[in-house]
Amino acid sequence: SQQGEEDPQALSIQEGENATMNCSYKTSINNLQWYRQNSGRGLVHLILIRSNEREKHSGRLRVTLDTSKKSSSLLITASRAADTASYFCATTPNFGNEKLTFGTGTRLTIIP
Amino acid sequence: DAGVTQSPTHLIKTRGQQVTLRCSPKSGHDTVSWYQQALGQGPQFIFQYYEEEERQRGNFPDRFSGHQFPNYSSELNVNALLLGDSALYLCASSAGGTQYFGPGTRLLVL
Repeated sequence: SQQGEEDPQALSIQEGENATMNCSYKTSINNLQWYRQNSGRGLVHLILIRSNEREKHSGRLRVTLDTSKKSSSLLITASRAADTASYFCATTPNFGNEKLTFGTGTRLTIIP
Repeated sequence: DAGVTQSPTHLIKTRGQQVTLRCSPKSGHDTVSWYQQALGQGPQFIFQYYEEEERQRGNFPDRFSGHQFPNYSSELNVNALLLGDSALYLCASSAGGTQYFGPGTRLLVL
């Protein structure tokens, strides 16, 4: 079963704009990760945030985590056409358990 | 350094047949996990292998089985294929941390 849901399910923005997608999950977690998937192929790891962290940055990516609300957000700044992909959040339940439970994904389209 | 590789890329089978998918982990990784991704859905965890043993298993029937070899490569076997087994099968490798995914094998069951 899916751990949670991403919101929105689909998002279309102009190139150069910022894109924000949200993820909600159901159970307590050890960490939360974001992955990108192009055209239904393999997933690319983007960023990991631990349960005791609130915000993390990596290049044009900013991730926040609110464990009290069981939610996370991924912000992509200054979007590019190459950012067009599906984005998934995934959680691990506890330390040492690497099983990933994925959300339903957000389909992001960047309009040139 | 090669990443995670999977074979074959695509596969077409008929109901009732059996299929074997293969995965070679990233160099230095000793843990392999398998996921099934139906169209339009997020990946779902099938099972994980470490030191040639199944360490964890998701909510999948016994028709799904696996194996890990001494070189850490892994196979996923699915018996008595059903139409609902049509999906993208993803392999991921890790070494106690981030999981790195292969390109997947797309299985179509007719």
